[in-house]
Amino acid sequence: NAGVMQNPRHLVRRRGQEARLRCSPVKGHSHVYWYRQLPEEGLKFMVYLQKENIIDESGMPKERFSAEFPKEGPSILRIQQVVRGDSAAYFCASSPGGIPLHFGNGTRLTVT
Amino acid sequence: ELKVEQNPLFLSMQEGKNYTIYCNYSTTSDRLYWYRQDPGKSLESLFVLLSNGAVKQEGRLMASLDTKARLSTLHITAAVHDLSATYFCAGDDKIIFGKGTRLHILP
Repeated sequence: NAGVMQNPRHLVRRRGQEARLRCSPVKGHSHVYWYRQLPEEGLKFMVYLQKENIIDESGMPKERFSAEFPKEGPSILRIQQVVRGDSAAYFCASSPGGIPLHFGNGTRLTVT
Repeated sequence: ELKVEQNPLFLSMQEGKNYTIYCNYSTTSDRLYWYRQDPGKSLESLFVLLSNGAVKQEGRLMASLDTKARLSTLHITAAVHDLSATYFCAGDDKIIFGKGTRLHILP
């Protein structure tokens, strides 16, 4: 059973470019969560999605960030016009609607 | 919105000793989670506590929940070096995390 798969593991972007982070949940899981983790800090909730729907995006910055979880394919976290402050580890987690969450290995984004 | 506070944030202890990590949360939370994270790695689910008075144990780790006090504890018994990691508690449906407790166990 494959766990939550995130890719890429490491992503380097120059300021102003776009970053696309992918998350394939555990097979059969229809709930996906995205978190951001800065060095030496905890995880900050960004967005919670179910298939084709955004349930809660209260942790997402209002500009430049978007997320989707289409009927087919992985969930995508998209960051447009990246800035240095976007450098962080981005974790995706999935669940079947219950608990606990299964976390992916994260994507470490570096903006140069 | 739920706020989760852990203490201590850093803990260095000797092997064989016992210690407790505390997790306070600000508002009613249906459930409380404990996770472990090794440096550069993902999060591993340790415990899910669902009700007042819940106590769960796995090896040298034991977690408890007091919903009236809005407090959860993670107790480490006779620590060993392999338990060195960062431990997070989290609550609420969105899984709101505390800042984590960086535990370093000295051989």
